[in-house]
Amino acid sequence: KNQVEQSPQSLIILEGKNCTLQCNYTVSPFSNLRWYKQDTGRGPVSLTIMTFSENTKSNGRYTATLDADTKQSSLHITASQLSDSASYICVVSDRGSTLGRLYFGRGTQLTVWP
Amino acid sequence: EADIYQTPRYLVIGTGKKITLECSQTMGHDKMYWYQQDPGMELHLIHYSYGVNSTEKGDLSSESTVSRIRTEHFPLTLESARPSHTSQYLCASGEGRTYEQYFGPGTRLTVT
Repeated sequence: KNQVEQSPQSLIILEGKNCTLQCNYTVSPFSNLRWYKQDTGRGPVSLTIMTFSENTKSNGRYTATLDADTKQSSLHITASQLSDSASYICVVSDRGSTLGRLYFGRGTQLTVWP
Repeated sequence: EADIYQTPRYLVIGTGKKITLECSQTMGHDKMYWYQQDPGMELHLIHYSYGVNSTEKGDLSSESTVSRIRTEHFPLTLESARPSHTSQYLCASGEGRTYEQYFGPGTRLTVT
């Protein structure tokens, strides 16, 4: 069964601190993995997207890593800001369908305190 | 930011009413999707479309229906709303080999 598991479920950090969010998946055949940021009451916005051959990708203060062998990914946020408070969703796409089926994790709810 | 729009943003309606959630995109994408998301839970695909006059049901069973008469427009209709339909509904569009999907802001539906 294709699944995406994220940890921790929620996280509270102080402004300026770094944090790392984890994602494990069982989706096969794998096409790509992306991290989305979803603000409360809004739609998800793509942060990074990585294919099988990519190990790391950065977008400003966000850095995603991918280990396709262990089927794990992480999202590292440096120098956190209050605006980083949101849900971060790991999404994996399979290569087997023309639909581009996406499998969503439940997200990690990040809260940044001043 | 992607050019995909949803209206209304919030809707509170009584049981038994017919409702239509609007979704439109100006990017010319062939593929469009509807997702349902409950608080703290993952997104579930309820409908998708490859293009005009193409609609399919997604993974999560839904009593809603969709239509795709124009490329840019993908409305979702509930003939008779029930409290169990209370949820957030997200529309997305996409194209290309990377299957990137761009999401609208969502409609928060509450059925009383």
